[in-house]
Amino acid sequence: EVQLVESGGGLVQPGGSLRLSCAASGFTFSTYTMNWVRQAPGKGLEWVSYISSRSSTIYYTDSVKGRFTISRDNAKNSLYLQMNSLRDEDTAVYYCARDGVIPFDIWGQGTMVTVSS
Amino acid sequence: EIVMTQSPATLSVSPGERATLSCRASQSVSSNLAWYQQKPGQAPRLLIYDTSTRATGIPARFSGSGSGTEFALTISSLQSEDFAVYYCQQYDNWWTFGQGTKVEIK
Repeated sequence: EVQLVESGGGLVQPGGSLRLSCAASGFTFSTYTMNWVRQAPGKGLEWVSYISSRSSTIYYTDSVKGRFTISRDNAKNSLYLQMNSLRDEDTAVYYCARDGVIPFDIWGQGTMVTVSS
Repeated sequence: EIVMTQSPATLSVSPGERATLSCRASQSVSSNLAWYQQKPGQAPRLLIYDTSTRATGIPARFSGSGSGTEFALTISSLQSEDFAVYYCQQYDNWWTFGQGTKVEIK
């Protein structure tokens, strides 16, 4: 079964850090580009970051540039999002999503990140 | 940044009726437009990509149309499981989502 499973969310104080993980299974992870998408409580979807299959190309939405770092380990079939200098407005469910010829065709169940003092 | 605007915000429809959701892009996205369905507490699910191609396992009652800046998702006969929030997304220039249309039971 093709599957993505996120982990690493939790409660963190403003200015703190958190590292999210996304474990992939059931497909050849190394051949797909990947994305992180977030959804604040009661709000819509917001694309956060993109990484190409071999990590050669990386993009971020403006609001997280310089604070978040996307990475992947193809040997471990895993995607990561290192989040530093967290702000209240980063509070959201974070989803990883597979990308390729068919865009965002597989999503994980999401992991909740709450930034609050 | 390409801004995606969906209308209406909420659509009240009776089961068995037809529903048409609209999505407008602030500039042309060619045919690089997708639709997602999201139910409460669940991740989004891809319904349509490349404007009109149904994703694997998506019933034929879902159809997409449009090009350039104007797009539509049509659900030909609403089933109980179709009441949800629907998002459009452009992937022509980076990736941006519309704010969503909630399809509720009338």
